[in-house]
Amino acid sequence: GQQLNQSPQSMFIQEGEDVSMNCTSSSIFNTWLWYKQDPGEGPVLLIALYKAGELTSNGRLTAQFGITRKDSFLNISASIPSDVGIYFCAGLGLTSYDKVIFGPGTSLSVIP
Amino acid sequence: KAGVTQTPRYLIKTRGQQVTLSCSPISGHRSVSWYQQTPGQGLQFLFEYFSETQRNKGNFPGRFSGRQFSNSRSEMNVSTLELGDSALYLCASSRDKNYGYTFGSGTRLTVV
Repeated sequence: GQQLNQSPQSMFIQEGEDVSMNCTSSSIFNTWLWYKQDPGEGPVLLIALYKAGELTSNGRLTAQFGITRKDSFLNISASIPSDVGIYFCAGLGLTSYDKVIFGPGTSLSVIP
Repeated sequence: KAGVTQTPRYLIKTRGQQVTLSCSPISGHRSVSWYQQTPGQGLQFLFEYFSETQRNKGNFPGRFSGRQFSNSRSEMNVSTLELGDSALYLCASSRDKNYGYTFGSGTRLTVV
């Protein structure tokens, strides 16, 4: 079935550094979503992408919908301690009957 | 506006028992999905309901079931609980999946 891979699995960075993570799939998706989950809470939507090549920003976060439609990228600039959490990518096909498939997540730790 | 509400927040059950979890979606959201989250497996899709009909189902045994009521509230049931069912169960609602889900805070189920 459809599966997403995220890399890296975990990251430890210094406060102020930029972060890059990606999500890849063997299947084509029509929508890519990026979520962040804080400990003990449900994931929160950060960015949604709808078109191949699309680049969308949300504050210090920038995400891109890969040209092949099989991947997506998330960048965080000038990281701060509250960026700590697990970042999930999710892909959705074309029809309303498609499942939203989540990647396994990238765990981000920020060292002050 | 009120978010997605899941009850109870925490639950401890004994192996062999059954459990029912509840989810109240955001007003106007007719799609409700359930996910199981465990440390090693990430977010695993259980099922999706739309207007009281199951629209999609993940690869879980028949012990896992769900339903949706006319007011869009949803319940999921797990019968004959096993130790491996211990997890965070997340409910998410949306008006249109393409715009992403809004997740609840989850129900933490521990089976002993």
